[in-house]
Amino acid sequence: ESVLTQSPGILSLSPGERATLSCTASRSVSSGYLAWYQQKPGQAPRLLIYGASSRATDIPDRFSGSGSGTDFTLTISRLDPEDFAVYYCHQYGTSPGTFGQGTKVEIK
Amino acid sequence: EVQLVESGGGLVKPGGSLGLSCVASGFTFSNYGMSWVRQAPGEGLEWVSSITYNSRYIYYADSVKGRFTISRDNTKNSIYLQMNSLRAEDTAVYYCVRSDTAQRAPFDSWGQGTLVAVSS
Repeated sequence: ESVLTQSPGILSLSPGERATLSCTASRSVSSGYLAWYQQKPGQAPRLLIYGASSRATDIPDRFSGSGSGTDFTLTISRLDPEDFAVYYCHQYGTSPGTFGQGTKVEIK
Repeated sequence: EVQLVESGGGLVKPGGSLGLSCVASGFTFSNYGMSWVRQAPGEGLEWVSSITYNSRYIYYADSVKGRFTISRDNTKNSIYLQMNSLRAEDTAVYYCVRSDTAQRAPFDSWGQGTLVAVSS
């Protein structure tokens, strides 16, 4: 099983700032099959990024994903007040698919 | 608009059984793989089980293998999760999710979830 480790656990930033979230896999992610999800309190997760760098439908272009192999990054270029949430990475290239433990982006 | 609506959650005693359902709408259900993903209170996400569009292939997490059974009925646009021999650690919100295929695909749509609580 591929273990995903997200850092930092909590990111305290102000609206308008840039957020950089990391996800490190214990083994290479097959074919770049890495996704990012956003989850707000009391809501289901929402797909943001798939294939490491492709934005899902209706996702604003301030969200971008990059990386390959074992190291991946989600960048939010300028934080909007609605972006404060928990973010999870997910590798789906190797069975079983696994999730990181999450990074909480909170208002500073 | 894609909609996934789960039902069937509730409180059950350890060792008991519970069946979850998910009704889909807004897309051609029979073309997609479907899965269940769970989230324990205050915790992260855990994949539970997946089923291909035609039910030919089924996959389970080791933590539920032999206790949970996933199925689908394409005539009713529905998937199901039969959960037996429930344990306290199965307590979670269970989400019904859609993907292009049952494996090697991201989860592009999620239901709102149904809470399963296992406690005496």
